Amino acid sequence: QKEVEQNSGPLSVPEGAIASLNCTYSDRGSQSFFWYRQYSGKSPELIMFIYSNGDKEDGRFTAQLNKASQYVSLLIRDSQPSDSATYLCAVNSGYSTLTFGKGTMLLVSP
Amino acid sequence: EADIYQTPRYLVIGTGKKITLECSQTMGHDKMYWYQQDPGMELHLIHYSYGVNSTEKGDLSSESTVSRIRTEHFPLTLESARPSHTSQYLCASSFQGGAGDHYGYTFGSGTRLTVV
Repeated sequence: QKEVEQNSGPLSVPEGAIASLNCTYSDRGSQSFFWYRQYSGKSPELIMFIYSNGDKEDGRFTAQLNKASQYVSLLIRDSQPSDSATYLCAVNSGYSTLTFGKGTMLLVSP
Repeated sequence: EADIYQTPRYLVIGTGKKITLECSQTMGHDKMYWYQQDPGMELHLIHYSYGVNSTEKGDLSSESTVSRIRTEHFPLTLESARPSHTSQYLCASSFQGGAGDHYGYTFGSGTRLTVV
């Protein structure tokens, strides 16, 4: 059973701070890793994907991957109240389907 | 602008009724998926398709069925709705590159189903 684990939170950070969201996965053969943002009552939207070990930056977002530790993280710099949402980590293990974690709720206070 | 459309957005229906949730995408994606998500809970894969005439069951046992007669259309049918089917149903599609690279899903807006 492939598993993707995330701390459910909520993770509370003040506006302007760095939010760090973490995810671990069980399938060592996993190849692609995704971060989705989901606002309450809405569908998930893709923020970033990463395939290779290391960091990948896109604007205020940085995804970090460490395959040896089976660990993926998402950093959000200069957090804004509009970033308050649930962040879903998803993993692809070579087939087309993704396995999702339960998500971490992020609360950014003004 | 979303290129994957789900209808209806909200549906309240009585127990025992047959319902079909519609999902269409205009991106030409081969792969399509149905997920079920209860409020505050994780997504559970219920059906997926690799292409026309291909359908597979997901991890979540479901009394629903799907069909894929056209690339762009992937409807989900519940033959006899029950209160336990009350949930949000999310349709998604994906593109996979020639080297097998996965670029993630694009989700529709979802259908919130209530069975009374």
